Amino acid sequence: KAGVTQTPRYLIKTRGQQVTLSCSPISGHRSVSWYQQTPGQGLQFLFEYFSETQRNKGNFPGRFSGRQFSNSRSEMNVSTLELGDSALYLCASSPRTGTGELFFGEGSRLTVL
Amino acid sequence: GQQLNQSPQSMFIQEGEDVSMNCTSSSIFNTWLWYKQEPGEGPVLLIALYKAGELTSNGRLTAQFGITRKDSFLNISASIPSDVGIYFCAGDPQGGSEKLVFGKGTKLTVNP
Repeated sequence: KAGVTQTPRYLIKTRGQQVTLSCSPISGHRSVSWYQQTPGQGLQFLFEYFSETQRNKGNFPGRFSGRQFSNSRSEMNVSTLELGDSALYLCASSPRTGTGELFFGEGSRLTVL
Repeated sequence: GQQLNQSPQSMFIQEGEDVSMNCTSSSIFNTWLWYKQEPGEGPVLLIALYKAGELTSNGRLTAQFGITRKDSFLNISASIPSDVGIYFCAGDPQGGSEKLVFGKGTKLTVNP
């Protein structure tokens, strides 16, 4: 069974640009969550989606947005990038909602210059 | 916001030794989970705990959900080199969601 696939794996952007990250969950998983990982703040929750609906949102500015498609694939977008947005963005899928049992992808490492 | 205080930050042990790490919070969590992350990978779920007082094992790993619902510990017995990685505790404060709060991690180094 294929795992969670995230693209791109690495990307470099400059301040002010925007970025879109993509996530394909494990087949059959309808719940998708996104986390930001930085050395200083650790793992922080961004969004949670189930059946194309955002169920929860973390404490991030409105520049961070996401969506889920009918095939459970998800994207997140960060607009007007800032240096502090440099991080590893992790997507996770879950076979059941509400268990915290997350299957993470390898992440998309974003560097903002 | 809610925080999980995880300790120790790092551990250097000899192969074969037992390891213990823990996580505490000032507020109640309804679910406790332990994840392990290796370089270049996303975290991998090790153990999930759903009831206060619950003690669960997964091979050489044992974890407990504290009776006050404000703490959890993870023990690794007879460590081996492949146990190297960063171990994270995580909790769901509201219950029934994937909105987890993560500890800052315990970095484990095992000397052969």
